[in-house]
Amino acid sequence: ELKVEQNPLFLSMQEGKNYTIYCNYSTTSDRLYWYRQDPGKSLESLFVLLSNGAVKQEGRLMASLDTKARLSTLHITAAVHDLSATYFCAVDPNFGNEKLTFGTGTRLTIIP
Amino acid sequence: NAGVTQTPKFQVLKTGQSMTLQCAQDMNHEYMSWYRQDPGMGLRLIHYSVGAGITDQGEVPNGYNVSRSTTEDFPLRLLSAAPSQTSVYFCASSYGYRDPRNTIYFGEGSWLTVV
Repeated sequence: ELKVEQNPLFLSMQEGKNYTIYCNYSTTSDRLYWYRQDPGKSLESLFVLLSNGAVKQEGRLMASLDTKARLSTLHITAAVHDLSATYFCAVDPNFGNEKLTFGTGTRLTIIP
Repeated sequence: NAGVTQTPKFQVLKTGQSMTLQCAQDMNHEYMSWYRQDPGMGLRLIHYSVGAGITDQGEVPNGYNVSRSTTEDFPLRLLSAAPSQTSVYFCASSYGYRDPRNTIYFGEGSWLTVV
């Protein structure tokens, strides 16, 4: 059974600081997704990582994937209040069928 | 282009009642799926479809039924609602392996309370 673990579960950080969210998964996977969810809202796609060593960046967020270590990271640079949300990673263990297994999420709060 | 549309957005059911959550997409996606999200947790896959007439169970299928008679629609049926099915339900769709960007689109969610 595939398990996806995120840490930390809760993160409170000051504006301007850097931090990293970690996503570990238990079996080989071809794809890893990162999503953002605001309270009471749906999921917003942030990144899709498709291969070992993949790195993608959008604004203050950068995601990377190490398939050998079964680890993905979401790095936040110079955090701003607008980044406050819950972040989920999700793994697709079977190429292309997109049956996702989600992590439990990291609730990020940026303090002004 | 409406994307993925879920109805209803909010619903209160009594224990034992049945209902159907509707999901429709207008992007000609082959892949559609239903997830549930419980407080403080990630989404868990309920049922899944790779095309009209083809469905498969996910991680938490008990108490739910699906069918896929058209490409556009993928309804989720609660056969006899239980308080444990109180949750937020999300429908998702995608082109699957045919999309090089591998984008999965989620609906806005349906908030279900069973009393």
